[in-house]
Amino acid sequence: EAGVAQSPRYKIIEKRQSVAFWCNPISGHATLYWYQQILGQGPKLLIQFQNNGVVDDSQLPKDRFSAERLKGVDSTLKIQPAKLEDSAVYLCASREAGDSGELFFGEGSRLTVL
Amino acid sequence: AQTVTQSQPEMSVQEAETVTLSCTYDTSENNYYLFWYKQPPSRQMILVIRQEAYKQQNATENRFSVNFQKAAKSFSLKISDSQLGDTAMYFCAFMNLQGGSEKLVFGKGTKLTVNP
Repeated sequence: EAGVAQSPRYKIIEKRQSVAFWCNPISGHATLYWYQQILGQGPKLLIQFQNNGVVDDSQLPKDRFSAERLKGVDSTLKIQPAKLEDSAVYLCASREAGDSGELFFGEGSRLTVL
Repeated sequence: AQTVTQSQPEMSVQEAETVTLSCTYDTSENNYYLFWYKQPPSRQMILVIRQEAYKQQNATENRFSVNFQKAAKSFSLKISDSQLGDTAMYFCAFMNLQGGSEKLVFGKGTKLTVNP
């Protein structure tokens, strides 16, 4: 079974530029999460989708971050304009319906903002 | 809001020995899961072990076991017969099963180094 796919793995941009990250979850997984992991910290939830609807985006900085999950499958996270403090690893995870609780994570996209 | 605290930023252990990682959490909910995730240097998070709050019996997965103390809100991970491949960041995480938003809340992590 294919895992959670993310791209790009690495991205370096200047501040005020824009960037987009893509995630393809495990087939059949209804719930998709984007987490931000700043160096030395635990991951922090940015947004959670159930199919193509948003369940929780309370910690998403909506003035610069946006995310969508068209057709309830893959998802894109965009940052525009980027700030220095956005340097982090952006982790995508998915989970199937049911109560197993386990999230499956991708390898992440490392963003460096200069 | 739920919080997860890992008080040991770094730990080390000799190969083949046993090590325990600590985790405490704060919640007013009664129906939840607790997890330990491992993040090797390649960064992909991998589930190590899961505990349902309603179960009194501590979860065990091969060399990994937990000590779940619900009243104390404590959830420690014991790694027996440590192996070099256990070197990684370990994150304790909480998932509330009520309210519709079943998301993981992570601690800050413990960096474990297994020495040969």
